[in-house]
Amino acid sequence: AQTVTQSQPEMSVQEAETVTLSCTYDTSESNYYLFWYKQPPSRQMILVIRQEAYKQQNATENRFSVNFQKAAKSFSLKISDSQLGDTAMYFCAFILSNDYKLSFGAGTTVTVRA
Amino acid sequence: DAGITQSPRYKITETGRQVTLMCHQTWSHSYMFWYRQDLGHGLRLIYYSAAADITDKGEVPDGYVVSRSKTENFPLTLESATRSQTSVYFCASRGGGSSYEQYFGPGTRLTVT
Repeated sequence: AQTVTQSQPEMSVQEAETVTLSCTYDTSESNYYLFWYKQPPSRQMILVIRQEAYKQQNATENRFSVNFQKAAKSFSLKISDSQLGDTAMYFCAFILSNDYKLSFGAGTTVTVRA
Repeated sequence: DAGITQSPRYKITETGRQVTLMCHQTWSHSYMFWYRQDLGHGLRLIYYSAAADITDKGEVPDGYVVSRSKTENFPLTLESATRSQTSVYFCASRGGGSSYEQYFGPGTRLTVT
C-alpha cells in the first residue's frame, strides 16, 4: 500500500509572504502521479497542481509551484505571494500509473494572516 | 449544470435508517469514486466504479452499498446508518487514459443521531 505523509498539521503565513508545505510518500514503483488539492472552508476539493513522476521539471501553476525530489520521495508545495483566499486545508495525493486508488495525506491547514 | 453534483448537501438521519447519497456527473467520465472525510484521516475511499455496472470496494466499504446503472450516476447507500458513519462524503470522477486527476463534488455532510 502507498502511504502519503504530511508532517505539518497547521501553518500560518503573513499575506504576501511565501509558505512551503511538505509531503513525502512511500512507493517502490517508478511511474506515478502526484497532486496537491486545496479545500477551502466551502469544503470543495480543488485541484491545485499535478506532477508526473517521469517529468524532471517541477510543475508550476501561477503562484503555486512544487519541488519534486523523486529519489527522496518528496513533493513539497510552495505558495508564493500568499493571499487571504489561500486559507484552506491542503492535501497531497498520490496515484500509481494504471491504478484507480488515489491515496491522500492527512492534510495541512494553512492560515493566511492579513 | 456541467460538472459533478451531490445531493443532498446536508442530511440528518437516525441510527438504523437507510439513506442514499446521490452523485451525478456530466463529463461522461468512466471512473467514479466515493470518499469519506473524517478529522485526522484525510479522505478514505469507500467504493469506486470503473464503468457502468462495474464497482469494487475501497478502503472502508463496510456498511455501504453502491450501484452504477448509468455512467453519469453513482449513488451511495447506507443500509442501516450508524453513528460512526457521521462524516462528510465526497463523490469524485475521473476520465480514462492518462488523466489521473479526480474532480470532486461539493460534498454531503451526513449526521447520524
